[in-house]
Amino acid sequence: EDQVTQSPEALRLQEGESSSLNCSYTVSGLRGLFWYRQDPGKGPEFLFTLYSAGEEKEKERLKATLTKKESFLHITAPKPEDSATYLCAVGGDSNYQLIWGAGTKLIIKP
Amino acid sequence: GEEVAQTPKHLVRGEGQKAKLYCAPIKGHSYVFWYQQVLKNEFKFLISFQNENVFDETGMPKERFSAKCLPNSPCSLEIQATKLEDSAVYFCASSQSGYGKAFFGQGTRLTVV
Repeated sequence: EDQVTQSPEALRLQEGESSSLNCSYTVSGLRGLFWYRQDPGKGPEFLFTLYSAGEEKEKERLKATLTKKESFLHITAPKPEDSATYLCAVGGDSNYQLIWGAGTKLIIKP
Repeated sequence: GEEVAQTPKHLVRGEGQKAKLYCAPIKGHSYVFWYQQVLKNEFKFLISFQNENVFDETGMPKERFSAKCLPNSPCSLEIQATKLEDSAVYFCASSQSGYGKAFFGQGTRLTVV
C-alpha cells in the first residue's frame, strides 16, 4: 500500500538555526515526489517536484533531496516568514492520485 | 497573476442538508482535482477531471458526493444529505498536466452542525 510519513510532526527553531524535515515513502513505481508549503487558512503552495533518486532542487533557503525511500527538505538559516506547514506527497504508477503526508509544522522564532 | 477561485469560503449546513461548492480553475489548465482536508492536515483525494470528463473518481463516496466540470462554468462538488463527518476544508486544484505542479485554491470550509 502506498504510504507517506513525515517527521517530525512539529519543529521549533530559532531564526538562523538550520534543520531538515523528513518524508519517508513507500510507493509502487514513483512518478514524482512533491513538496508544498501551507500557511494557515490557505491552500498548499507548490515548492518542488523530484522524480528520481539523487535529484536535488533548491529555492532560496530550501533544498529538497530524494533517495529511493525518503526525501529531505533542508532549510538553511530560516527566517520567521518560513514558518508554515510543509507537506510531502507522492504519486505512483497505479494512478494519478497523490498520497499525502500529514505535514510538518515549522515554527521559526525571531 | 491567475489563481484558482473557490466559493464560498465558509459554508455551514445542518445535518441532512445539501452543500454545493464551486471552483474556477486557472484558464488553460486541463485538470481539476478535489481534495478533502480534515484534522491534522490529512489530505484525501476525492475526484479529478480532465476537461469536463471524470479522470479518476476512486476517492469519491458516491452515495452522497457528486461533482461536475462543465464547459464555461465553474466546477462543482455537491454533497447530498451532509453528515457531521463531512466537516472539513475542501480544496480544489488545477494543473496543466494530469501529473505535476498543481495550483490550489484557498479552500471552502464546510461545517456540518
